Amino acid sequence: DTEVTQTPKHLVMGMTNKKSLKCEQHMGHRAMYWYKQKAKKPPELMFVYSYEKLSINESVPSRFSPECPNSSLLNLHLHALQPEDSALYLCASSQDLGGGHTEAFFGQGTRLTVV
Amino acid sequence: AQSVTQLDSHVSVSEGTPVLLRCNYSSSYSPSLFWYVQHPNKGLQLLLKYTSAATLVKGINGFEAEFKKSETSFHLTKPSAHMSDAAEYFCVVREFTSGTYKYIFGTGTRLKVLA
Repeated sequence: DTEVTQTPKHLVMGMTNKKSLKCEQHMGHRAMYWYKQKAKKPPELMFVYSYEKLSINESVPSRFSPECPNSSLLNLHLHALQPEDSALYLCASSQDLGGGHTEAFFGQGTRLTVV
Repeated sequence: AQSVTQLDSHVSVSEGTPVLLRCNYSSSYSPSLFWYVQHPNKGLQLLLKYTSAATLVKGINGFEAEFKKSETSFHLTKPSAHMSDAAEYFCVVREFTSGTYKYIFGTGTRLKVLA
């Protein structure tokens, strides 16, 4: 199984709602990532979890709250979002081995629309 | 910090003609480099990766890339374009920082294939 599964595929939420994005992988990868991608732009890194601990937060607003309950799961909790947060949210995982040239595996993304 | 520069934001080719998508990297040591493809409203798929075992890397769907240290380049090529190759292509470098690895994307090249 070389898949990263993201749910839901589409999400529409109001600015006062609370919702969560979910990501799951069963490749035994110990690094997991959240990226945000606006239309016609490259993915931008938001968070990195390494061995279930938050390693990198790229100065993301607190209305985005990541969580890594175990080595296979990654959540992104959303609260009080703004319309400009509408984007494709991509989850990825990798082996995070020292050295080597390990690639990241990406999910299909969640298309988020904030109204 | 490492970075990659994709020299063309848009490339148009006719079906059956060669494809060249250009990428330059900045790194003081042997980088981990990747090419990913993204079809409209889809996630990211790995085309190929540089592993330092060989400078000419073969990937999926007939794509190749050549690592040239003297030119700090990792250009993506394909001998004959197919309509299904129309997509966004990202050159990516993997960087070690804050005790973990992150994947840094170039700005992307949109490939258009003309019938």
